[in-house]
Formats: sequence, structure tokens, C-alpha cells
Amino acid sequence: GQNIDQPTEMTATEGAIVQINCTYQTSGFNGLFWYQQHAGEAPTFLSYNVLDGLEEKGRFSSFLSRSKGYSYLLLKELQMKDSASYLCAVKPTGGYQKVTFGIGTKLQVIP
Amino acid sequence: SQTIHQWPATLVQPVGSPLSLECTVEGTSNPNLYWYRQAAGRGLQLLFYSVGIGQISSEVPQNLSASRPQDRQFILSSKKLLLSDSGFYLCAWSEGNYGYTFGSGTRLTVV
Repeated sequence: GQNIDQPTEMTATEGAIVQINCTYQTSGFNGLFWYQQHAGEAPTFLSYNVLDGLEEKGRFSSFLSRSKGYSYLLLKELQMKDSASYLCAVKPTGGYQKVTFGIGTKLQVIP
Repeated sequence: SQTIHQWPATLVQPVGSPLSLECTVEGTSNPNLYWYRQAAGRGLQLLFYSVGIGQISSEVPQNLSASRPQDRQFILSSKKLLLSDSGFYLCAWSEGNYGYTFGSGTRLTVV
């Protein structure tokens, strides 16, 4: 089975940097996703990490350490529209039907 | 480009009534399709997935069922809804390392 932990809520200030952590336990790791989900909407894909290290996409970066079972999503130059839930999801070997989602971190960006 | 359509957006149904949610995908053939449910304060839970016409796998025992009558059509049904069936239902398809693409979701309230 798989277990994913991420903080339930976070608050950060507009223009600042915030790091959302995700730890996981899984057998047969294949990759880790980050999704953004605004209230009442469907999740949208942010990133997919397979190898260790940092991947940057504009204001968003995602980091993975497979040996530590650890990932983080880094959001820079926060904007009000970044207020959303951020879901960490682990894909083990065996196909997408085995992907497990974390409960999500609700980020509130304040002025 | 691939798109995924899901309807209705919101639904209020009495306990014991039937349910039918439909999802269609455009711009791809033979997609892997999924039905997820997101209950308040909980992570995304996989309900069903399908790798082809008529092929349905169920992940959790429940009073819901799924069908795939056509390659790009996935239907979630129930004969008699329970209060516990309330939630946000999401249809999705998967491709390579791009993770899931979700439909816009259906907010179901059973009263």
C-alpha cells in the first residue's frame, strides 16, 4: 500500500515564497505528481518528478528525493490566484490505477 | 487536442433515487478512463477504471457501478443513492507522464 502525508493548511503572503512538503511510503515507486485544485474545480496538472532533483517551471518548482520518500512544491512570487489546494500523488509501478493522492494542502495567500 | 467532457455540473438527488453521470473524451482513442470521488476533507478516491470498451475494474465495494459502452464514453451509475454517496465526482483519463486530465466534475448532493 501507499501512505502520503502533507500539511492540511498553509498561509503565505502575496509576493512571498512558500514550500509545500509531501512525504510518502510506497513499494515500487514510479513517479510523483503535483496538482493544483481551486475550490469547486477539478485538479490540474502541475508537475511530474521521476528522478531526484529540482524541476522548475516558471514560478513553480518541484523537488524529489526518492531515498527519503520526500517531495516539495515551491511557489515563488505568490499571487492571490495561487490560493488553492495542492495535491501530492504517488504513482507506483503497475499503472495509473494505483496512483494514490494525498488529502491536499490548502494554501491561502493573503495580501 | 484532447478534451474531456463531464456532466451535469451539479446534481441534487433524493436518497434511493437512481444516478447516471456521463463522461466523454475527444481527441484520443482507446484512452484509460477513471472515475474518482472526492468527499469533503478527504483525498481523491478511485472508484472505477477502464482500459477498453466493456472492461471495468472496481476499486472499492459500493452501490455504484460503471460502464463503458463506447471507446470514449464512461458512465457512472447507481440504482439507489445513499447519503454517503454525496461528493465531488471526477472523470479522468491518463496518458504517459502527463498524469491525469480531469473533467470539470459533478457536485452530487444526496438529500
